[in-house]
Amino acid sequence: DAGVTQSPTHLIKTRGQQVTLRCSPKSGHDTVSWYQQALGQGPQFIFQYYEEEERQRGNFPDRFSGHQFPNYSSELNVNALLLGDSALYLCASSRRRAEYSYEQYFGPGTRLTVT
Amino acid sequence: AQSVTQLGSHVSVSEGALVLLRCNYSSSVPPYLFWYVQYPNQGLQLLLKYTSAATLVKGINGFEAEFKKSETSFHLTKPSAHMSDAAEYFCAVSVFMNSGNTPLVFGKGTRLSVIA
Repeated sequence: DAGVTQSPTHLIKTRGQQVTLRCSPKSGHDTVSWYQQALGQGPQFIFQYYEEEERQRGNFPDRFSGHQFPNYSSELNVNALLLGDSALYLCASSRRRAEYSYEQYFGPGTRLTVT
Repeated sequence: AQSVTQLGSHVSVSEGALVLLRCNYSSSVPPYLFWYVQYPNQGLQLLLKYTSAATLVKGINGFEAEFKKSETSFHLTKPSAHMSDAAEYFCAVSVFMNSGNTPLVFGKGTRLSVIA
């Protein structure tokens, strides 16, 4: 049973460029959440998707957007990259059903470096 | 809103010694509490969770944590540290609202070093 997978593992971009990160949830999970972990910090919630719609959003600018596909996989897009966007981006999956919604499983992350 | 405070950004213990990592939370409703471990260049692995059942929670790799409502604490302990325990540890909180849990709110993390 594959866990949460993310691609790519590492990415280097230049300021002003756009980037797309991808996530496939754990088998049986229908909800995907994205977190940003800056160096030396705890992860911070970006947004959550289920039923192909953004359901909750953290305190991140509109440059951060996402998408969820019918197979529950998800993309995180960041436009107009800033140096401060350099971080580890973590994807977590869970089941929407209420009694299991607290169980989040994390992927290995994508390390984004903006130069 | 919920929040988590982890006391001590870096804790160093000798191999075989007790591990104690501190976590205090703030929540106006009953919380769900979690400890995650992160090894270098890896994602987060769940160590244990408190979901309003038993207050003493046992997790993987010999770790356990005790929920103390009166102290708003959820400290992580392990009786005897092993070299392989060296990692970053994160405490996180979530609450149940409407039809599901809120996103995780993490502390800043505690780096555990184990000295041979």
